[in-house]
Amino acid sequence: QAQLVQSGAEVKKPGASVRVSCKASGYTFANYDINWVRQATGQGLEWMGWMNPNSGNTGYAQKFQGRVTMTRDTSITTAYMEMSSLTSEDTAVYYCATQIKQYRAGSWFDRWGQGAPVTVSS
Amino acid sequence: DIQMTQSPSSLSASVGDRVIITCRASQSISIFLNWYQQKPGKAPNVLIYAASSLQSGVPSRFSGSGSGTDFTLTISSLQPEDFATYYCQQSYTTPRTFGQGTKVEI
Repeated sequence: QAQLVQSGAEVKKPGASVRVSCKASGYTFANYDINWVRQATGQGLEWMGWMNPNSGNTGYAQKFQGRVTMTRDTSITTAYMEMSSLTSEDTAVYYCATQIKQYRAGSWFDRWGQGAPVTVSS
Repeated sequence: DIQMTQSPSSLSASVGDRVIITCRASQSISIFLNWYQQKPGKAPNVLIYAASSLQSGVPSRFSGSGSGTDFTLTISSLQPEDFATYYCQQSYTTPRTFGQGTKVEI
């Protein structure tokens, strides 16, 4: 069955960068955009951006422009989200999710990874 | 950005209760509204897409309605496994935005 498996927990110092991976299996990787959503402890869901695994095209929320890069390696069906200049406010669980699109129905996040906790602390 | 506002933020209910959660968008989003359920320590799970379409495998006690700016998620008869946090999310435009969540507690 289709699934997304993310990398493990990370602890980073302020100012550092982090890269989270998202390994896809059980479906054709190129067919569905990968989106990234984060969630601070006890808080709601915050959309970060999307990447088309086929073309590599990306779109980022303005809040993360210039600080987030989403890439992929199609040979190993893995998507990556890299964030630089980390601060304590970036401490959160980072999720990847496939996006299903349907004509006249919009899109929704169908499959989710298990989440990758990132802690930013000095 | 389109703001999504859910109400209530939390509610207490009993097994068997009918539960209604509302979501309001800051501008019209047609039917491009999804609902997710999230349990502690787990990723969200889509329940309803396009305002009223039930995701495959989701129990029929969940239903959604609405269009434009006002939407509702209804749980017809609350079950023990339904105690969770529920989020609405618009897919009308980017950035995709979520409501702040509604926690359903015993």
